[in-house]
Amino acid sequence: QKEVEQDPGPLSVPEGAIVSLNCTYSNSAFQYFMWYRQYSRKGPELLMYTYSSGNKEDGRFTAQVDKSSKYISLFIRDSQPSDSATYLCAMSRRTGANNLFFGTGTRLTVIP
Amino acid sequence: GAGVSQTPSNKVTEKGKYVELRCDPISGHTALYWYRQSLGQGPEFLIYFQGTGAADDSGLPNDRFFAVRPEGSVSTLKIQRTERGDSAVYLCASSSGTTKTGELFFGEGSRLTVL
Repeated sequence: QKEVEQDPGPLSVPEGAIVSLNCTYSNSAFQYFMWYRQYSRKGPELLMYTYSSGNKEDGRFTAQVDKSSKYISLFIRDSQPSDSATYLCAMSRRTGANNLFFGTGTRLTVIP
Repeated sequence: GAGVSQTPSNKVTEKGKYVELRCDPISGHTALYWYRQSLGQGPEFLIYFQGTGAADDSGLPNDRFFAVRPEGSVSTLKIQRTERGDSAVYLCASSSGTTKTGELFFGEGSRLTVL
């Protein structure tokens, strides 16, 4: 079993829709949770960062962490064609952790 | 530079050949990471440098893989006797001492194809 599970999609939604992306994990030691966005043939870029359980909002993006269920989510409101990309969840065990555990990524297409 | 720079962007080689991939991190970033991303997968950790030394090389798959960072800036990932299974995008990332945990700045990657 992989430490981080993520549905690879692909996921297609119409412009303006609310998108929900999710990951589950098995290691209860994970404390730091991130969402990266990766455009085609580009490197991942950090989108959202959260520590422990709770919600974090940044513009149209909301990240949720439920450590009791070992489940994290990313919501995108009013989705735009420019949001079309692969979204990777990532997590680490401790501060200064020297590596991240990534999900496989969910490929999202927002249709105009 | 403004971002993490990786060269070459694409490399096609034959099975058994030797390959070097170069990473130039963001100026001033002391930490440097190599990840490998196979098709349809998330990045997988290979090695982490803090300064000139490899602080964690637990992700290197076998002894055909080696990486150096002699002056604490540019790093080179070296792959000997390449195999078809080595085909992937090799991503380099860097971070500074003040970077939040997990906030890595990635380059665009070097796409390696082993025929």
